[in-house]
Amino acid sequence: AQTVTQSQPEMSVQEAETVTLSCTYDTSESDYYLFWYKQPPSRQMILVIRQEAYKQQNATENRFSVNFQKAAKSFSLKISDSQLGDAAMYFCAYGLLRAGGTSYGKLTFGQGTILTVHP
Amino acid sequence: DAGITQSPRYKITETGRQVTLMCHQTWSHSYMFWYRQDLGHGLRLIYYSAAADITDKGEVPDGYVVSRSKTENFPLTLESATRSQTSVYFCASSEIPGEQYFGPGTRLTVT
Repeated sequence: AQTVTQSQPEMSVQEAETVTLSCTYDTSESDYYLFWYKQPPSRQMILVIRQEAYKQQNATENRFSVNFQKAAKSFSLKISDSQLGDAAMYFCAYGLLRAGGTSYGKLTFGQGTILTVHP
Repeated sequence: DAGITQSPRYKITETGRQVTLMCHQTWSHSYMFWYRQDLGHGLRLIYYSAAADITDKGEVPDGYVVSRSKTENFPLTLESATRSQTSVYFCASSEIPGEQYFGPGTRLTVT
């Protein structure tokens, strides 16, 4: 079974600084995708960024970027120029890319990292 | 309104009662999911559905029942609520694998 581990229960950063959230996963599959979701105090889950395992280039979305190390099964999220609105719980998630089978479309989530942004 | 909605947003019930949480999406997404969120566990999949009338168990299905007679609706029923089912429940839908869109959540308290 696939597992996703976020080893940092809590992180903090100063406004305008950069912070990196860690995520590791375990899988025997080769075709999969990884996600970071953000959950602010409103509880709404918001997709931040997505990475397909077959792509060597790291995904970026504005101030958010990932460092995807497939061999090490590591998928960290870097937030640059942190803003107060970035304060949230962040979840790393794994899903299979291969169509068919009972796991298609399902995601496995990590335990989450609470990010605090200090003004 | 377009999107995914859940009702009720908050629910308090007693042990042993049956409770149904509703989920409705307007995108006609094929996939729908139910998760529960508990401190220290992240989100855990309860049930999912790949299409109308197709459902399957997730990681923590015991004590829950689902149905999906229409593409847009995916209700979750707790047949006999227990205190261990006190949690925040999220419904999600997707068409593209992995890009799941989540509802606002239902906070359920079982006393």
